[in-house]
Amino acid sequence: GAVVSQHPSRVICKSGTSVKIECRSLDFQATTMFWYRQFPKQSLMLMATSNEGSKATYEQGVEKDKFLINHASLTLSTLTVTSAHPEDSSFYICSARKAGNGSTDTQYFGPGTRLTVL
Amino acid sequence: SQQGEEDPQALSIQEGENATMNCSYKTSINNLQWYRQNSGRGLVHLILIRSNEREKHSGRLRVTLDTSKKSSSLLITASRAADTASYFCATRKTSGSRLTFGEGTQLTVNP
Repeated sequence: GAVVSQHPSRVICKSGTSVKIECRSLDFQATTMFWYRQFPKQSLMLMATSNEGSKATYEQGVEKDKFLINHASLTLSTLTVTSAHPEDSSFYICSARKAGNGSTDTQYFGPGTRLTVL
Repeated sequence: SQQGEEDPQALSIQEGENATMNCSYKTSINNLQWYRQNSGRGLVHLILIRSNEREKHSGRLRVTLDTSKKSSSLLITASRAADTASYFCATRKTSGSRLTFGEGTQLTVNP
């Protein structure tokens, strides 16, 4: 199988603090990982794409200094929400794409992290 | 802007009935994928259909793709209460390019 985990599953923090979310591919190497944000009853919006060992590519309108992404290894990417505000409260989902030829079309999604900023 | 638009937005049926969800998109694609999301959870990949394919089956799922109409449908046969979830279509313009998600259909299967 292809399992992607996220930690934590839920986090509540005070406004102004920073929160780090981890995304791990447990049984495969992921050259590319994606971070999405999903508001209630809405679809997934891509925030950024990260490739192992290089800087993340952010979607238009996503502040790179606020949402710090690190993809230090082929199995781990982190998203840090800096100086969080209530409007950052959302469901954050990561996704990973397997390394290797012919495997670029299927993405495996993590279970998501519910962030609540008070 | 969202590539995919799904129809209906919400669907409520009785167990045993079939459920059909539709997805339309605007630009040419390399492939289209369907995902399921249970409430508050991540996405589960259901099926991928490529632009040169017209129909694919997987268990109780049947997906069709009409590239001339830029639309796809997902049929779940003999639905079960456990099928209750949101279903999203997602498209790729080229192999390996980013996925663009539709707005989703909330399916409720009543026991």
